Amino acid sequence: AQKITQTQPGMFVQEKEAVTLDCTYDTSDQSYGLFWYKQPSSGEMIFLIYQGSYDEQNATEGRYSLNFQKARKSANLVISASQLGDSAMYFCAMRTSGGADGLTFGKGTHLIIQP
Amino acid sequence: DADVTQTPRNRITKTGKRIMLECSQTKGHDRMYWYRQDPGLGLRLIYYSFDVKDINKGEISDGYSVSRQAQAKFSLSLESAIPNQTALYFCATSDGLGARETQYFGPGTRLLVL
Repeated sequence: AQKITQTQPGMFVQEKEAVTLDCTYDTSDQSYGLFWYKQPSSGEMIFLIYQGSYDEQNATEGRYSLNFQKARKSANLVISASQLGDSAMYFCAMRTSGGADGLTFGKGTHLIIQP
Repeated sequence: DADVTQTPRNRITKTGKRIMLECSQTKGHDRMYWYRQDPGLGLRLIYYSFDVKDINKGEISDGYSVSRQAQAKFSLSLESAIPNQTALYFCATSDGLGARETQYFGPGTRLLVL
């Protein structure tokens, strides 16, 4: 069975600081993908970044980067130079190549950026 | 225009009523999904479809049914709504590239069952 654990229900961060959102995962599959989604208060789910299990380098997308530590089964999201608009729920998710049933999501982290 | 649209965006219904939530996409993806989100939880998979003739149950399919009318349309029905089906419902599509596939979500439908 696949499982995603996000241990930070909520975080408060000062604007312009870097933020790390934790995510650990559990799977017996060797091929899998890890995803981060942002959900602002308006409710939509916005895809942020993807990391493949065989990717040798950590993924980056603008201010977002993924700190992938395969041996520790962790896939932390790093947001550099946080902005007020980064305040949202953040979800880590996983899909395995052998899993035919969509994404497995964590429970999310509520990030609040303070001015 | 949005690539994945959901109608209605908000719905209030009564216990026992049948309702349908609709999803349309212009991304040309074969794979479509329905998820629900409850407060304090991540998304959970209800049903998914890999093409028009392929429908599969997800983690929490009881009380729901789906119809894939065309490649671009995937509807979710609640045959007899109950209050614990109050949730935020998302439709998603994906490009089907194995573990690498990325899912793109619609804006969600907020459903309240009284």
